[in-house]
Amino acid sequence: GENVEQHPSTLSVQEGDSAVIKCTYSDSASNYFPWYKQELGKGPQLIIDIRSNVGEKKDQRIAVTLNKTAKHFSLHITETQPEDSAVYFCAAGFNAGGTSYGKLTFGQGTILTVHP
Amino acid sequence: GAVVSQHPSRVICKSGTSVKIECRSLDFQATTMFWYRQFPKQSLMLMATSNEGSKATYEQGVEKDKFLINHASLTLSTLTVTSAHPEDSSFYICSARQGKETQYFGPGTRLLVL
Repeated sequence: GENVEQHPSTLSVQEGDSAVIKCTYSDSASNYFPWYKQELGKGPQLIIDIRSNVGEKKDQRIAVTLNKTAKHFSLHITETQPEDSAVYFCAAGFNAGGTSYGKLTFGQGTILTVHP
Repeated sequence: GAVVSQHPSRVICKSGTSVKIECRSLDFQATTMFWYRQFPKQSLMLMATSNEGSKATYEQGVEKDKFLINHASLTLSTLTVTSAHPEDSSFYICSARQGKETQYFGPGTRLLVL
């Protein structure tokens, strides 16, 4: 099955700096890569996603890059703010049909702390 | 984004009792919903995939007789933890799939079994 590795496990930055979180995946069949932000005691919130036919996607201060050859993808947050502090999860999924349709495998999570 | 709700948000029960958790997609129809469990400071672990009108598909190691899943309509899936024990205490989160891949998560249910 799919295996997703996420690094770093913790990341501390100063407000205004950039933050980068990296993930690698093992299954070359994976073609969908979402990123989720989870605040304490809440469910994960989708912040951006990318599909394998695209190399980069940007939404305001958030961007995601995908390297299919190397099987890794990254989340970039620019001009970080204290409210960006949360746990971030990457995930990989694929459309295999049947009972595996849309199934996601999550990385271990990164605790991001943005200091004012 | 799409909205997914869960009820209850928090539940405390005695060991040996059963607990039902509801997951609803509020503004879209979801043919597939997913149930996850998350222990403190850990990632989300998929328990089962719930398909409307058919039996759920459970991940390896998840007891289907202990975690009963029902997906009776396109907007509602339920997870029942039967004969709950303290080791079942966890954060249970559902998600609903919209379209081919995108999953939207509920706010989670904190279960504490005494």
